[in-house]
Amino acid sequence: QVTLKESGPVLVKPTETLTLTCTVSGFSLSDAGMAVSWIRQPPGKALEWLAHIFSNDEKSYSTSLKSRLTISKDTSKSQVVLTMTNMDPVDSATFYCSRIQKAAASAYYYYYMDVWGKGTTVTVSS
Amino acid sequence: SYVLTQPPSVSVAPGQTARITCGGNNIGSKSVHWYQQKPGQAPVVVVYHDSDRPSGIPERFSGSNSGNTATLTISRVEAGDEADYYCQVWHTSSDEWVFGGGTKLTVL
Repeated sequence: QVTLKESGPVLVKPTETLTLTCTVSGFSLSDAGMAVSWIRQPPGKALEWLAHIFSNDEKSYSTSLKSRLTISKDTSKSQVVLTMTNMDPVDSATFYCSRIQKAAASAYYYYYMDVWGKGTTVTVSS
Repeated sequence: SYVLTQPPSVSVAPGQTARITCGGNNIGSKSVHWYQQKPGQAPVVVVYHDSDRPSGIPERFSGSNSGNTATLTISRVEAGDEADYYCQVWHTSSDEWVFGGGTKLTVL
């Protein structure tokens, strides 16, 4: 059974750096074509993709947040870590990690987020 | 950046058909995925690659994608389908995942 679980602080102060961990089970972060993504959702608002990292260590970041984000993985611990610097109250949100699954169409590959964690809520306040 | 436009809300009576649209420039050339999110829960994929359904998702959920509009269709709507629905694509030009703004489905 594939599961992902987010963990991290519930409360951070403005200007601090947020560090979140996604611990996965049921698959390996070294599986070919596999990736893990981070997504956030402010209260009452839409989903916003933040970053992803592939098994070959290829990374992508949201253009609007790229300067503040770093994603990394520890395959031996089955963990993906996201750091977000200079936190602000508007960054308060539920943060989700998800597995990105690779699938084959007739002449190409595509990816989608097939399993999500339950999320962890972070509040930014002094 | 690439923008996906969804109607904020759709309302439908039980047993009727709900159609939720997702507009984007030439979205028909992309692979569109749809996620259902119930209050207090994480999103769940209900349709991927335009029209494929994960195991465990009822056949009542279907998708299509052409031109500038992708559509999630829910047939014979049930009270349990009430949720927020998000479309999503991978935008290769900027190497980013893009979500639509979400549509709240209300079952009357």
